[in-house]
Amino acid sequence: DVKVTQSSRYLVKRTGEKVFLECVQDMDHENMFWYRQDPGLGLRLIYFSYDVKMKEKGDIPEGYSVSREKKERFSLILESASTNQTSMYLCASSPDLIPSSYEQYFGPGTRLTVT
Amino acid sequence: AQSVTQLDSHVSVSEGTPVLLRCNYSSSYSPSLFWYVQHPNKGLQLLLKYTSAATLVKGINGFEAEFKKSETSFHLTKPSAHMSDAAEYFCVVRVPTDSWGKLQFGAGTQVVVTP
Repeated sequence: DVKVTQSSRYLVKRTGEKVFLECVQDMDHENMFWYRQDPGLGLRLIYFSYDVKMKEKGDIPEGYSVSREKKERFSLILESASTNQTSMYLCASSPDLIPSSYEQYFGPGTRLTVT
Repeated sequence: AQSVTQLDSHVSVSEGTPVLLRCNYSSSYSPSLFWYVQHPNKGLQLLLKYTSAATLVKGINGFEAEFKKSETSFHLTKPSAHMSDAAEYFCVVRVPTDSWGKLQFGAGTQVVVTP
């Protein structure tokens, strides 16, 4: 079974703090994704990575950055946390070059509260 | 451009009665379509996917969905609801022109199952 793990289930940070959210997948997937989930908005893509050290902006990248130094690990960074970044953050991964699939596998999520 | 609209934000059903979750998509190309489920405090799990094969797709836990190109719909159904079906459901579309397999999520439908 594919397993995607996230470093924390719940996190509380103060405004202005630098925040790191970590995600690890164990299936050697090429692609990894970070989403935020807010009520009534579904999931929105923040950033994704298709290879080590490669990254692409998603739909809402402002206020975030990412790092992918190893294939299995994808980090989301909030350089200076703000209250409007309080949300559920979901990491996902998918294998490459399966044209009929593109299924993504999700971690359990990190609920971040910024006070 | 592509988008996905879930027509109901909340659905309440009695245990043992049918479930219908409605989803419409817009896409300039033949899309790949998915339904994901998220149980409370859990990550997203794939229920089923349509990738241009059979238009009636069967998924896990007795769910199925029918792709209707003429109606641009991909509604999710289950003949008999179970208490364990209480969850949030997301209709998702992927556009073939995106080489990275990015997905676009609907806003979600919260399903409540009453005894």
